[in-house]
Parts: sequence; structure tokens; C-alpha cells
Amino acid sequence: QLQLQESGPGPVKPSETLSLTCTVSGGSINSNNYYWGWIRQPPGKGLEWIGSISNSGSTYYNPSLKSRVTISVDTSKNQFSLKLTSVTAADTAVYYCARHAISSWYQYLQHWGQGTLVTVSS
Amino acid sequence: DIVMTQSPDSLAVSLGERATINCKSSQSVLYSSNNKNYLAWYQQKPGQPPKVLIYWASIRESGVPDRFSGSGSGTDFTLTISSLLAEDVAVYYCQQYYTSPQTFGQGTKLEIK
Repeated sequence: QLQLQESGPGPVKPSETLSLTCTVSGGSINSNNYYWGWIRQPPGKGLEWIGSISNSGSTYYNPSLKSRVTISVDTSKNQFSLKLTSVTAADTAVYYCARHAISSWYQYLQHWGQGTLVTVSS
Repeated sequence: DIVMTQSPDSLAVSLGERATINCKSSQSVLYSSNNKNYLAWYQQKPGQPPKVLIYWASIRESGVPDRFSGSGSGTDFTLTISSLLAEDVAVYYCQQYYTSPQTFGQGTKLEIK
């Protein structure tokens, strides 16, 4: 059973960089050229796709965040990561990692982590 | 960006009755080359991540009860719960994966009347 687990250092101060890692278990991040993504949800609000990466490093980013986002993959650790720079209170959200279905970015998000709340506050 | 608009924003339905949620995309998500609608429906219960119910607009994900069904094509889609159970109380989202950025509807909150 594929499982994804987000982890990160906790609260972030305004203007700093938010860093999260998603650890994949029950399957290899290197298999079948799946795409792995990040999605966020501000408290009480809807879902926003941030970006996705394949095991070979091909990326898609949401243009609204592209200038501040970097997603990377570490196949040796079965992990992929999110960095979001210059954060503000508007970046406070539950951050989810997920895997797209089958071997294409043009797929729905089939498997999700439980999510981790990141608060941006001084 | 493709804007996904759901209606209604909230819905109260009696147990055992039918619930219908609509989703409209600002442009077609039907890819003519394969005749597939790049549209999924998710269910999100409080404190949980979203769970996919329907993909390609009408295909039920494995393990999803058959009281959930999806229909529609092009720009207009519907999620139907044929006979509401208490466990179906949740927020439901539609999502297009036709083009980047993938976008979600604003959500529809389903409650028991």
C-alpha cells in the first residue's frame, strides 16, 4: 500500500523559506515515471495545486507561485521536496504531497499524504 | 487558467435521498484525440486529505461505493450520490487535469437535513 508522509521543520517566519519533504513508502518513487505533486489548502479554504515533478526531474509549476517554488526529487531516499521562498501569512496552509495516477502529469491525484500545517508567523 | 465553478456552495439532503453537485469549467476539458474528459471528483472529510471518487468524469475509483456516480462532458459535470448515508457528509471538489495549472472548484459542503 503506497503511503506518503509530509515532514518539515515547523513554523516559518515571514520572508523566510518554507521547506517540506514527502517520504514515500510502500513503493518506489523511481517506478513507472509517475508524477509527484504538492497541493495546499489554507485553513477553511479550497485546494491549490502548487507543482509536480517526475522521477526524472521534469517539473510543472503553478504560474501563480512559479517564481517562488522549487520542487526536487531524491530517488535514493525515496523522497521529493518543496521549497517556497519569501513566504507571507498568505502561505499559511495545510500542505499535502500526492502522487498522480499512472505515468503522466495529465492525471488526477490518486494517492495523498495526511498533510502538514505550516504556519507563517513572526 | 481554467476556472472551475461548483454549485451549490452547500447542500443539505435527507438520509436516503439523492444529492447532486454541479461543476462547470470555463473551457472544455474534453480532449478530442481520446474523447476523455480530464475531470475528477474528490471527497474531503474534516481533518483528512481529499480522496478521489471519480476520474475521467465518470469512472469510479477502486473501492468507491456505487452510490457515487459522475456524468457530463465538455464544460458541465455532475456528481450524484444516489442514496445519502451519514458517512457521506463531507466537502466535495471537482478538479480539471486537462491543462496546467491543474485547478479545483471551490468545494461544495454536503450536510444532512
